[in-house]
Amino acid sequence: RKEVEQDPGPFNVPEGATVAFNCTYSNSASQSFFWYRQDCRKEPKLLMSVYSSGNEDGRFTAQLNRASQYISLLIRDSKLSDSATYLCVVMVGGGADGLTFGKGTHLIIQP
Amino acid sequence: GAVVSQHPSRVICKSGTSVKIECRSLDFQATTMFWYRQFPKQSLMLMATSNEGSKATYEQGVEKDKFLINHASLTLSTLTVTSAHPEDSSFYICSAFGTIITDTQYFGPGTRLTVL
Repeated sequence: RKEVEQDPGPFNVPEGATVAFNCTYSNSASQSFFWYRQDCRKEPKLLMSVYSSGNEDGRFTAQLNRASQYISLLIRDSKLSDSATYLCVVMVGGGADGLTFGKGTHLIIQP
Repeated sequence: GAVVSQHPSRVICKSGTSVKIECRSLDFQATTMFWYRQFPKQSLMLMATSNEGSKATYEQGVEKDKFLINHASLTLSTLTVTSAHPEDSSFYICSAFGTIITDTQYFGPGTRLTVL
């Protein structure tokens, strides 16, 4: 069983639509959770951390369900510039531990 | 956010040569640096964790004699791919974690290695 699982997509979504991604993780000892964005042939960039209470940053909302070991990302009013691969990332310990990445979900926003 | 640089950004080399990749934290002291590798259409895989002044800890399946890591200062870690072969061709990315920035790691721009 993979440690972090995501639907690879691609998700083809019209501009302005709302899109949601899910991710599951297998290690119940995981402590920290993140969504990263990776553009083609570039390094991952932190999009947002994910907290148990849920958190929102502009058009982006992240949710964590520890009981189900499930993380979600919602993008509202999608823009063409949102086209990228979204990586679900889990950290077991503190910041001094390596991150475990999902394979990513590929999102294509269509005009 | 914090800035991490990597050099070179792209390397093309012949099989059998060694390649050194540098990772620098530019505006913070990185107590821990990480090296990841990403093959096409695959997720980033952690190769090793390095703490300043001590030996790196390698993930299972990563050969420590092939991938030499040195973390000599709080702002610099190097990865040397020794006797590179075509199967080592990949995107190598470092990340850094510092005592000031505690929530996550910050990534360098990556080094694309092509071994002919």
